[in-house]
Amino acid sequence: RKEVEQDPGPFNVPEGATVAFNCTYSNSASQSFFWYRQDCRKEPKLLMSVYSSGNEDGRFTAQLNRASQYISLLIRDSKLSDSATYLCVVAYNFNKFYFGSGTKLNVKP
Amino acid sequence: GAVVSQHPSWVICKSGTSVKIECRSLDFQATTMFWYRQFPKQSLMLMATSNEGSKATYEQGVEKDKFLINHASLTLSTLTVTSAHPEDSSFYICSATGGGPDTQYFGPGTRLTVL
Repeated sequence: RKEVEQDPGPFNVPEGATVAFNCTYSNSASQSFFWYRQDCRKEPKLLMSVYSSGNEDGRFTAQLNRASQYISLLIRDSKLSDSATYLCVVAYNFNKFYFGSGTKLNVKP
Repeated sequence: GAVVSQHPSWVICKSGTSVKIECRSLDFQATTMFWYRQFPKQSLMLMATSNEGSKATYEQGVEKDKFLINHASLTLSTLTVTSAHPEDSSFYICSATGGGPDTQYFGPGTRLTVL
């Protein structure tokens, strides 16, 4: 079983739509959780950290459910520029990071 | 803050030659640096983890004698692909921690093409 699993998509949505991604992780000892965004042929960029209490940054909301071992990312009012691959990252021991395979999002006009 | 640079960003080399890629943390001291490889349309694959002044820890299936990692200072790690073959052609990305709590900061990547 993979450490981190994501639906690869692609998710094809119209501009203005709300879209949600989930990611499950297998290690209950995981300590830190992140969403990264990767554009084609570019390096991943940190989108947001994910906290137990949930956190919001503009149109983006991240949630963590430790009991069910999943994290989610919600994007509201999708923009064309949101088209990218979204990577779920789980860390433990502060230096062991596991990446999901990514979920591809296509936002269409 | 928390900027990581890589050099070169793009390299083409002949089969059998060696290529060195540098990864630098520009505005923080990187306690740990990571090297990843990414093939087209695939996810990042961790190759190795390195801490300053100690030997790198390689992931299963990654040849340590082929992918030499040196982490000589808290701001610089190098990856040398020795005796490169066409199948080593890939996007190599480094990242570093130390610029924020548990967060990895990625370099812009190096695209290696071996002819």
